[in-house]
Amino acid sequence: AQKVTQAQTEISVVEKEDVTLDCVYETRDTTYYLFWYKQPPSGELVFLIRRNSFDEQNEISGRYSWNFQKSTSSFNFTITASQVVDSAVYFCALSRAGNQFYFGTGTSLTVIP
Amino acid sequence: DSGVTQTPKHLITATGQRVTLRCSPRSGDLSVYWYQQSLDQGLQFLIQYYNGEERAKGNILERFSAQQFPDLHSELNLSSLELGDSALYFCASSPTGGQGRDTQYFGPGTRLTVL
Repeated sequence: AQKVTQAQTEISVVEKEDVTLDCVYETRDTTYYLFWYKQPPSGELVFLIRRNSFDEQNEISGRYSWNFQKSTSSFNFTITASQVVDSAVYFCALSRAGNQFYFGTGTSLTVIP
Repeated sequence: DSGVTQTPKHLITATGQRVTLRCSPRSGDLSVYWYQQSLDQGLQFLIQYYNGEERAKGNILERFSAQQFPDLHSELNLSSLELGDSALYFCASSPTGGQGRDTQYFGPGTRLTVL
């Protein structure tokens, strides 16, 4: 069975603080894919990153960084120096070839000015 | 802008009615996926079409159906609507039929309200 857990339902931070969104996944497959999507208040789902199970390199894109650790089945997302525009719901998703995406329940991030 | 378009943006209808949601995938993408997002169920995969053929089915009700046309746009038909069908319906597209392997790019969604 495949499952994604985002234990943090809501997080509030003050602007310029760093924040980490947790994602823990379960799968028995050795090949799988992990994704993060952002859903701003306007409602659309915006793709942020995709990671293959065989690539454990962390990634940084501007203020965003992702820490993939197979040993703990986690794929955490950190926003550095948060901004009000980062306020959104963030979803982590897991998939494997030939199978559907499994989304977590999302973490609602509010950045307070 | 993901390049995936969905119409209409909002839809308000009554119980028992039938509606059609439309989706145009990104240029070059062959797969279209439909999702339902509701407060109590989260994001649920409904169905995937690849190059006109049904490829995978998720938690899609029998009252719901979809199709993908030769120009690759897709329609999701919802019939005998119930209050509980009120939700945000997303369409996503990806380049190939490799569900799971491909990144899915989402449209802006259609918000359906059933009164």
